[in-house]
Amino acid sequence: DARVTQTPRHKVTEMGQEVTMRCQPILGHNTVFWYRQTMMQGLELLAYFRNRAPLDDSGMPKDRFSAEMPDATLATLKIQPSEPRDSAVYFCASGLAHSNQPQHFGDGTRLSIL
Amino acid sequence: AQKITQTQPGMFVQEKEAVTLDCTYDTSDQSYGLFWYKQPSSGEMIFLIYQGSYDEQNATEGRYSLNFQKARKSANLVISASQLGDSAMYFCAMREPSPSGGYNKLIFGAGTRLAVHP
Repeated sequence: DARVTQTPRHKVTEMGQEVTMRCQPILGHNTVFWYRQTMMQGLELLAYFRNRAPLDDSGMPKDRFSAEMPDATLATLKIQPSEPRDSAVYFCASGLAHSNQPQHFGDGTRLSIL
Repeated sequence: AQKITQTQPGMFVQEKEAVTLDCTYDTSDQSYGLFWYKQPSSGEMIFLIYQGSYDEQNATEGRYSLNFQKARKSANLVISASQLGDSAMYFCAMREPSPSGGYNKLIFGAGTRLAVHP
């Protein structure tokens, strides 16, 4: 089965460090989503792309977060500088824009900022 | 305004019994999609079932069925013959059309934690 692949699965780092999370969407999917999951806020959309173009990043703190799709097989989410409040599970999902098919999620990156 | 409401933070069910997880939604669009995802303790998000707003039949996928009541704006998940492996967090989500064409992001409810007891 085709899967969304996220790396790393776990990341522990100190406050102030740069964090880069990577996502390989399912081949052929033209939309990519980044979600953040915390106990307090639940699942929140940070940003999403269609055909590699950013469509909505209103959920993302612009001063420290950035999301890009350098090519159709790679999406990245960067945090610089990281803060303890960024500790969360970050999910990438991919899907087809003009379809009722579901978004498929990666296994997530569990991020801990000390 | 909250668009997806899951009023049950936690539910218990006996193994082999059926259970209904509630979900209500709010939208002014005529075209939308409703999804249920399962998140076991291992953390991954697993797609379970989909219901389109124009679908006349309730969606079914194996032991999962969706009780779709459009007028009441509810899309409850029914799990029949519960198994111990069904213990997980369950999220209801809605997708609305995008003004730029295609479909927009998913909006998730807060989730319901289901515990299946032997």
